[in-house]
Amino acid sequence: VLTQAPSVSVAPGGAAEIVCGGDTFGDSRVHWYQQKAGQAPVLVITSDSGRPSGIPDRFSGSNSGTAATLTINRVEVGDEADYYCQIWDTRSDHGVFGGGTKLTVL
Amino acid sequence: EQLVESGGQMVQPGRPLRLSCQASGFRISLTTMCWARQGPGKGLEWVSLILPDGRDAKYEDSVKGRFNIVRDNTGNTIYLQMNRLTSDDTGRYFCARAGTGGSFDLWGQGTLVTVSS
Repeated sequence: VLTQAPSVSVAPGGAAEIVCGGDTFGDSRVHWYQQKAGQAPVLVITSDSGRPSGIPDRFSGSNSGTAATLTINRVEVGDEADYYCQIWDTRSDHGVFGGGTKLTVL
Repeated sequence: EQLVESGGQMVQPGRPLRLSCQASGFRISLTTMCWARQGPGKGLEWVSLILPDGRDAKYEDSVKGRFNIVRDNTGNTIYLQMNRLTSDDTGRYFCARAGTGGSFDLWGQGTLVTVSS
């Protein structure tokens, strides 16, 4: 089970931290998706801290083994979205998503 | 590179439905493909995955035995055959391409399935 806070708020220009907690990620890598209202998810961080092509360097990720963090620096109004963490659970051989965190830019 | 889902509609409980996902700009024969879904106002849920050669597939527990994922590499299309549908299966179904490390690096816009009498 991946646990995320339901919501996070930040002012424009500030930094947002979205946390994903799990019993232990084991050898699974954590991935992060951004989903804006009415749109498909977009991969923004892959394998704990990698940034796919086209994703601004304002987005970064880290993983301590029991908690992963997505950090968004210099937050913009356009970053307002739901953010989901995800792993591939090698024990169950299933994909697993966190419950999602709604980022509000005040 | 694009994924386009189709086949979603309103269907009665217990009835079957088949979803399609047409890929363009890349060959699905080289990649693992999956389906995920999102209930109304809810989060993302992984549903199923199929390996490149189609010989192995995985399913989320609540759909195991009811859903079947297949692929047509020649047609560059994957399908999700859904049987014995219930209201809990209502939602938008997304097709996605598996990337590195177990991620999903390309998503379609989804197709809406509504199970209701």
